[in-house]
Amino acid sequence: DAMVIQNPRYQVTQFGKPVTLSCSQTLNHNVMYWYQQKSSQAPKLLFHYYDKDFNNEADTPDNFQSRRPNTSFCFLDIRSPGLGDAAMYLCATSVGVSEQYFGPGTRLTVT
Amino acid sequence: GENVEQHPSTLSVQEGDSAVIKCTYSDSASNYFPWYKQELGKRPQLIIDIRSNVGEKKDQRIAVTLNKTAKHFSLHITETQPEDSAVYFCAASINNNNDMRFGAGTRLTVKP
Repeated sequence: DAMVIQNPRYQVTQFGKPVTLSCSQTLNHNVMYWYQQKSSQAPKLLFHYYDKDFNNEADTPDNFQSRRPNTSFCFLDIRSPGLGDAAMYLCATSVGVSEQYFGPGTRLTVT
Repeated sequence: GENVEQHPSTLSVQEGDSAVIKCTYSDSASNYFPWYKQELGKRPQLIIDIRSNVGEKKDQRIAVTLNKTAKHFSLHITETQPEDSAVYFCAASINNNNDMRFGAGTRLTVKP
């Protein structure tokens, strides 16, 4: 049974065209994370929500925004995607500071 | 902020041998240290974790050791099998702060 679901699995967008990636969870975890992972690199934390509290990483570009309308859902908005934003975007959840459960990821292509 | 360094970047072992991957961290306040395995094209999955009040933890063929004084922790895989081949990431997180910093990863290859 899928616990962390990401949609779509593959997303193609044009340079500068806004795109939204979604994540949902059935675990009722209070923390949700968004990571960017480029080929052969480690996941890089963009931001996370602890309940409704939003925590942005200092080096996350303003181009990236997030929304968490309820416990189950979290969205990643990329306002003006550039070629350098092409990557795998991973959503993860946890209960406080503990094991993170990752979704399958959304592979974003920017043309 | 926390910096996590991981070595080696690649590791090749013969089936049945042991593999050791080492990580260091910079922030003495870090107190949660997970290890994730990521197979090609798949999501990272936790294989073992350790908290700062424990020096060692073992789960079958996998063990993690933590030296808080030296600020380093290591993953030990014994009796390696070809299915252990993957990229392994260490990470460090600060309690009451869900920031997670990942090491750069180690590509482990286990040769049959």
